[in-house]
Amino acid sequence: GENVEQHPSTLSVQEGDSAVIKCTYSDSASNYFPWYKQELGKGPQLIIDIRSNVGEKKDQRIAVTLNKTAKHFSLHITETQPEDSAVYFCAATYGGSQGNLIFGKGTKLSVKP
Amino acid sequence: TAGITQAPTSQILAAGRSMTLRCTQDMRHNAMYWYRQDLGLGLRLIHYSNTAGTTGKGEVPDGYSVSRANTDDFPLTLASAVPSQTSVYFCASSAGNYNEQFFGPGTRLTVL
Repeated sequence: GENVEQHPSTLSVQEGDSAVIKCTYSDSASNYFPWYKQELGKGPQLIIDIRSNVGEKKDQRIAVTLNKTAKHFSLHITETQPEDSAVYFCAATYGGSQGNLIFGKGTKLSVKP
Repeated sequence: TAGITQAPTSQILAAGRSMTLRCTQDMRHNAMYWYRQDLGLGLRLIHYSNTAGTTGKGEVPDGYSVSRANTDDFPLTLASAVPSQTSVYFCASSAGNYNEQFFGPGTRLTVL
Protein backbone atom coordinates (compact mmCIF):
# COMPACT_ATOMS: atom_id res chain seq x y z
CA GLY A 1 0.00 0.00 0.00
CA GLU A 2 0.90 3.67 -0.11
CA ASN A 3 3.53 4.94 2.28
CA VAL A 4 4.48 8.57 2.85
CA GLU A 5 7.80 9.34 4.52
CA GLN A 6 8.40 12.83 5.91
CA HIS A 7 11.70 14.41 7.01
CA PRO A 8 12.86 15.88 9.25
CA SER A 9 10.67 15.16 12.25
CA THR A 10 11.83 18.37 13.95
CA LEU A 11 13.29 21.53 12.45
CA SER A 12 14.53 24.64 14.21
CA VAL A 13 15.38 27.79 12.26
CA GLN A 14 16.13 31.39 13.01
CA GLU A 15 13.52 33.99 12.13
CA GLY A 16 14.05 35.14 8.55
CA ASP A 17 15.73 31.92 7.43
CA SER A 18 14.16 29.40 5.06
CA ALA A 19 12.72 26.04 6.05
CA VAL A 20 12.42 22.97 3.84
CA ILE A 21 10.42 19.82 4.60
CA LYS A 22 10.64 16.80 2.32
CA CYS A 23 8.30 13.91 1.65
CA THR A 24 8.50 10.78 -0.46
CA TYR A 25 5.66 8.53 -1.52
CA SER A 26 5.48 5.02 -2.87
CA ASP A 27 2.35 4.82 -5.06
CA SER A 28 3.02 5.98 -8.61
CA ALA A 29 -0.74 6.52 -9.05
CA SER A 30 -0.75 9.32 -6.42
CA ASN A 31 -1.87 12.54 -8.05
CA TYR A 32 -2.75 15.04 -5.31
CA PHE A 33 -0.31 16.29 -2.65
CA PRO A 34 -1.57 18.69 0.04
CA TRP A 35 0.32 20.22 2.94
CA TYR A 36 -1.37 20.92 6.27
CA LYS A 37 -0.33 23.09 9.20
CA GLN A 38 -1.45 22.20 12.69
CA GLU A 39 -1.18 24.65 15.55
CA LEU A 40 -1.26 23.46 19.13
CA GLY A 41 -4.70 22.31 20.20
CA LYS A 42 -6.27 22.79 16.78
CA GLY A 43 -7.18 20.72 13.76
CA PRO A 44 -4.91 20.71 10.68
CA GLN A 45 -5.45 23.43 8.10
CA LEU A 46 -4.52 23.29 4.42
CA ILE A 47 -1.77 25.73 3.48
CA ILE A 48 -0.95 24.67 -0.08
CA ASP A 49 -1.51 21.75 -2.42
CA ILE A 50 -0.21 20.56 -5.76
CA ARG A 51 -1.56 18.20 -8.38
CA SER A 52 0.46 15.81 -10.48
CA ASN A 53 0.29 17.87 -13.67
CA VAL A 54 2.22 20.72 -12.04
CA GLY A 55 5.88 20.78 -10.94
CA GLU A 56 5.81 23.81 -8.66
CA LYS A 57 3.29 26.07 -6.97
CA LYS A 58 3.85 29.22 -4.97
CA ASP A 59 1.72 31.24 -2.57
CA GLN A 60 3.52 34.23 -1.06
CA ARG A 61 6.21 32.80 1.27
CA ILE A 62 5.20 29.19 0.72
CA ALA A 63 6.07 26.99 -2.23
CA VAL A 64 5.74 23.31 -3.02
CA THR A 65 7.72 21.36 -5.58
CA LEU A 66 6.86 17.95 -7.00
CA ASN A 67 9.13 15.45 -8.73
CA LYS A 68 6.90 12.62 -9.98
CA THR A 69 9.78 10.64 -11.41
CA ALA A 70 11.55 10.51 -8.07
CA LYS A 71 8.24 10.39 -6.13
CA HIS A 72 9.07 13.21 -3.81
CA PHE A 73 7.64 16.61 -2.98
CA SER A 74 8.85 19.40 -0.74
CA LEU A 75 7.52 22.37 1.17
CA HIS A 76 9.59 25.56 1.18
CA ILE A 77 8.90 28.41 3.58
CA THR A 78 10.93 31.57 3.05
CA GLU A 79 11.46 34.48 5.45
CA THR A 80 10.16 32.43 8.35
CA GLN A 81 8.31 34.16 11.18
CA PRO A 82 7.56 32.99 14.75
CA GLU A 83 3.92 32.40 13.76
CA ASP A 84 5.12 29.75 11.29
CA SER A 85 5.96 27.58 14.31
CA ALA A 86 3.64 24.56 14.12
CA VAL A 87 3.52 20.93 13.02
CA TYR A 88 3.41 20.45 9.26
CA PHE A 89 2.03 17.35 7.54
CA CYS A 90 2.41 16.26 3.95
CA ALA A 91 -0.10 13.88 2.39
CA ALA A 92 -0.70 12.01 -0.82
CA THR A 93 -3.67 10.29 -2.39
CA TYR A 94 -3.30 6.59 -2.99
CA GLY A 95 -4.35 4.55 -5.97
CA GLY A 96 -7.89 3.25 -5.88
CA SER A 97 -8.70 5.35 -2.84
CA GLN A 98 -11.04 7.77 -4.59
CA GLY A 99 -8.99 10.64 -3.29
CA ASN A 100 -8.37 9.51 0.29
CA LEU A 101 -5.11 10.67 1.83
CA ILE A 102 -2.15 9.03 3.49
CA PHE A 103 -0.36 11.47 5.80
CA GLY A 104 3.29 11.74 6.71
CA LYS A 105 4.17 11.63 10.39
CA GLY A 106 4.70 15.37 10.65
CA THR A 107 7.49 17.91 11.13
CA LYS A 108 7.57 20.16 14.17
CA LEU A 109 8.91 23.52 13.00
CA SER A 110 10.23 26.00 15.55
CA VAL A 111 11.11 29.51 14.43
CA LYS A 112 13.29 31.31 16.95
CA PRO A 113 12.96 35.11 17.10
CA THR B 1 -20.89 29.74 9.63
CA ALA B 2 -19.58 27.22 12.16
CA GLY B 3 -17.83 25.07 9.57
CA ILE B 4 -17.27 21.72 11.19
CA THR B 5 -17.97 20.95 14.84
CA GLN B 6 -17.18 17.96 17.02
CA ALA B 7 -18.51 16.83 20.39
CA PRO B 8 -17.48 16.19 23.03
CA THR B 9 -14.23 18.14 23.31
CA SER B 10 -12.79 15.47 25.56
CA GLN B 11 -13.92 12.31 27.27
CA ILE B 12 -12.63 9.71 29.68
CA LEU B 13 -14.17 6.31 29.04
CA ALA B 14 -13.95 3.01 30.86
CA ALA B 15 -12.74 0.07 28.80
CA GLY B 16 -15.62 -2.00 27.45
CA ARG B 17 -18.03 0.92 27.32
CA SER B 18 -19.46 2.27 24.08
CA MET B 19 -19.25 5.83 22.88
CA THR B 20 -20.32 7.92 19.90
CA LEU B 21 -18.26 10.88 18.76
CA ARG B 22 -20.34 13.44 16.95
CA CYS B 23 -19.40 15.47 13.89
CA THR B 24 -21.51 18.04 12.06
CA GLN B 25 -20.68 20.26 9.11
CA ASP B 26 -22.68 23.13 7.66
CA MET B 27 -20.81 23.51 4.37
CA ARG B 28 -22.95 20.98 2.49
CA HIS B 29 -19.84 18.97 1.70
CA ASN B 30 -20.34 15.58 0.11
CA ALA B 31 -17.32 13.86 1.62
CA MET B 32 -16.57 13.35 5.31
CA TYR B 33 -13.74 11.59 7.13
CA TRP B 34 -12.67 10.39 10.55
CA TYR B 35 -8.99 10.34 11.51
CA ARG B 36 -7.14 9.46 14.66
CA GLN B 37 -3.94 11.26 15.63
CA ASP B 38 -1.36 9.59 17.82
CA LEU B 39 2.00 11.03 18.82
CA GLY B 40 4.64 10.09 16.27
CA LEU B 41 2.14 8.46 13.93
CA GLY B 42 0.51 11.43 12.27
CA LEU B 43 -3.08 11.23 11.06
CA ARG B 44 -4.57 7.90 10.08
CA LEU B 45 -7.90 7.48 8.30
CA ILE B 46 -10.46 5.38 10.15
CA HIS B 47 -13.57 5.61 7.95
CA TYR B 48 -14.84 7.88 5.24
CA SER B 49 -18.03 8.72 3.37
CA ASN B 50 -18.04 10.07 -0.17
CA THR B 51 -21.72 10.98 -0.04
CA ALA B 52 -24.75 10.56 2.20
CA GLY B 53 -25.79 6.93 2.44
CA THR B 54 -22.33 5.49 1.69
CA THR B 55 -19.32 4.72 3.88
CA GLY B 56 -15.94 3.07 3.42
CA LYS B 57 -13.04 1.75 5.47
CA GLY B 58 -9.78 3.61 5.84
CA GLU B 59 -6.38 2.48 7.13
CA VAL B 60 -7.43 1.60 10.70
CA PRO B 61 -11.16 0.74 10.78
CA ASP B 62 -11.17 -2.11 13.31
CA GLY B 63 -13.18 -1.37 16.45
CA TYR B 64 -15.00 1.59 14.87
CA SER B 65 -18.22 2.03 12.92
CA VAL B 66 -19.80 5.00 11.15
CA SER B 67 -23.06 5.97 9.54
CA ARG B 68 -24.04 8.76 7.14
CA ALA B 69 -27.79 9.19 7.28
CA ASN B 70 -27.63 12.74 5.92
CA THR B 71 -25.17 15.21 4.42
CA ASP B 72 -24.35 17.10 7.61
CA ASP B 73 -23.69 14.43 10.24
CA PHE B 74 -21.07 11.69 10.43
CA PRO B 75 -20.96 10.01 13.86
CA LEU B 76 -18.17 7.62 14.85
CA THR B 77 -19.04 4.80 17.27
CA LEU B 78 -16.76 2.71 19.44
CA ALA B 79 -18.84 -0.33 20.37
CA SER B 80 -16.54 -1.61 23.12
CA ALA B 81 -13.65 0.74 23.83
CA VAL B 82 -10.11 -0.53 24.49
CA PRO B 83 -7.11 1.43 25.86
CA SER B 84 -5.40 1.41 22.42
CA GLN B 85 -8.23 3.63 21.19
CA THR B 86 -6.93 6.43 23.40
CA SER B 87 -6.22 9.16 20.87
CA VAL B 88 -7.27 12.51 19.47
CA TYR B 89 -10.01 12.08 16.89
CA PHE B 90 -10.52 14.53 14.05
CA CYS B 91 -13.47 14.76 11.74
CA ALA B 92 -13.04 16.43 8.35
CA SER B 93 -15.13 17.27 5.32
CA SER B 94 -14.50 18.24 1.72
CA ALA B 95 -16.51 19.24 -1.32
CA GLY B 96 -15.32 16.09 -3.03
CA ASN B 97 -12.36 13.89 -3.62
CA TYR B 98 -9.06 15.64 -4.35
CA ASN B 99 -10.30 18.82 -2.67
CA GLU B 100 -9.28 20.62 0.50
CA GLN B 101 -10.30 18.84 3.66
CA PHE B 102 -11.59 21.04 6.47
CA PHE B 103 -10.88 19.67 9.93
CA GLY B 104 -12.85 20.02 13.13
CA PRO B 105 -11.24 20.95 16.47
CA GLY B 106 -10.87 17.33 17.58
CA THR B 107 -12.06 15.12 20.43
CA ARG B 108 -9.51 13.89 22.96
CA LEU B 109 -10.54 10.41 24.11
CA THR B 110 -8.92 8.53 26.95
CA VAL B 111 -9.87 4.87 27.51
CA LEU B 112 -8.92 3.50 30.90
